Amino acid sequence: DTGVSQDPRHKITKRGQNVTFRCDPISEHNRLYWYRQTLGQGPEFLTYFQNEAQLEKSRLLSDRFSAERPKGSFSTLEIQRTEQGDSAMYLCASRRTGSTDTQYFGPGTRLTVL
Amino acid sequence: KNEVEQSPQNLTAQEGEFITINCSYSVGISALHWLQQHPGGGIVSLFMLSSGKKKHGRLIATINIQEKHSSLHITASHPRDSAVYICAAGNNDMRFGAGTRLTVKP
Repeated sequence: DTGVSQDPRHKITKRGQNVTFRCDPISEHNRLYWYRQTLGQGPEFLTYFQNEAQLEKSRLLSDRFSAERPKGSFSTLEIQRTEQGDSAMYLCASRRTGSTDTQYFGPGTRLTVL
Repeated sequence: KNEVEQSPQNLTAQEGEFITINCSYSVGISALHWLQQHPGGGIVSLFMLSSGKKKHGRLIATINIQEKHSSLHITASHPRDSAVYICAAGNNDMRFGAGTRLTVKP
């Protein structure tokens, strides 16, 4: 399968703990996006990378959230000192710059903060 | 007011019916996307539009840039079309609608 993959698919953690999610984009895609989706709502943009450079961050991305894409391939999203309000589905997507293709989404990581 | 508004929120149809979902946006955009999300979360991109109309099988998407409005039509609907349909405006920092939950009954 050469689609976008995310790991883990589910994460349950206690409030105050740190969590890290991984996204592996489609291999030739240089743009990578992170979104958050709460129940019953559409996704919300968090941040995106072009290769290893983080080009834009939403104001939703508080200082407890950090994302990296060190080698321009996979990306990690870390949430420090998790809060119950962080419970959501975290989605990753990728695409090629200049392509007329839209973004390809991964299956998501569902985070539950107890 | 959300930057991207969809209507209706929920839609129930009988198999075979023609379905229309509407999307209005208030931001300036380079592209408008229609996405499909099945239970369990997986999102599939259906269309990316910057003008006019696109068709893929039984799905048709249209956009009116001047009116900042787009529609997604499904012809001859089928129970397997049951899903949440999401409109998103923009290219990189996309703004998403809340989605339209479609249920097609046999």
